[in-house]
Amino acid sequence: EVQLVESGGGLVQPGRSMKLSCAASGFTFSNYGMAWVRQAPTKGLEWVATISYDGSSTYYRDSVKGRFTISRDNAKSTLYLQMNSLRSEDTATYYCTRGSSYWGQGVMVTVSS
Amino acid sequence: DIVMTQAPLSVSVTPGESASISCRSSKSLLHSNGITYVYWYLQKPGKSPQLLIYRMSNLASGVPDRFSGSGSETDFTLKISRVEAEDVGIYYCGQLLENPYTFGAGTKLELK
Repeated sequence: EVQLVESGGGLVQPGRSMKLSCAASGFTFSNYGMAWVRQAPTKGLEWVATISYDGSSTYYRDSVKGRFTISRDNAKSTLYLQMNSLRSEDTATYYCTRGSSYWGQGVMVTVSS
Repeated sequence: DIVMTQAPLSVSVTPGESASISCRSSKSLLHSNGITYVYWYLQKPGKSPQLLIYRMSNLASGVPDRFSGSGSETDFTLKISRVEAEDVGIYYCGQLLENPYTFGAGTKLELK
């Protein structure tokens, strides 16, 4: 069974950093591209970043480019999202997803002073 | 960015009846490989999104065949036959043709 389990969220002050993790199991992690999708409270879905199966290629939405870094450790079957210079508008539930076919349970990130 | 426009924003359905949700893209989602990269998701209350339909008309694993997807290059429809209580939630269309991948605003389905 495919499982994606996010961790690392919480409350953080504007301008600070936070790193999210997504532990994958139930499939060969190194064979699949992965992504982070977020959802602000009461809002819709927003694609944040994508990484290829081997980490050689990444893509970011404009609003997080230069501040967020997506990465992966295929030996640990884990996806990461390093978020720097956080803003209030980054407040959202962050989902890890495998090609949008499988989704984690989500982790809440609240950016507030 | 490709804009995905859904209609209606909400729909109220009597159990056992059918429902249709429309989605329009600002650009053709038909790739040169013949695949149309539109997807449909359901987010049940308090849950993560789940994939219903991939590549316009393919039913995702474990999804009841009451759900079906159809469309053209820019206009798409999700149809739910014989709506059940478990179908309540917000439905999103999304395009995975080109970055940034984008979603519609969502259609809330509730029961009468």
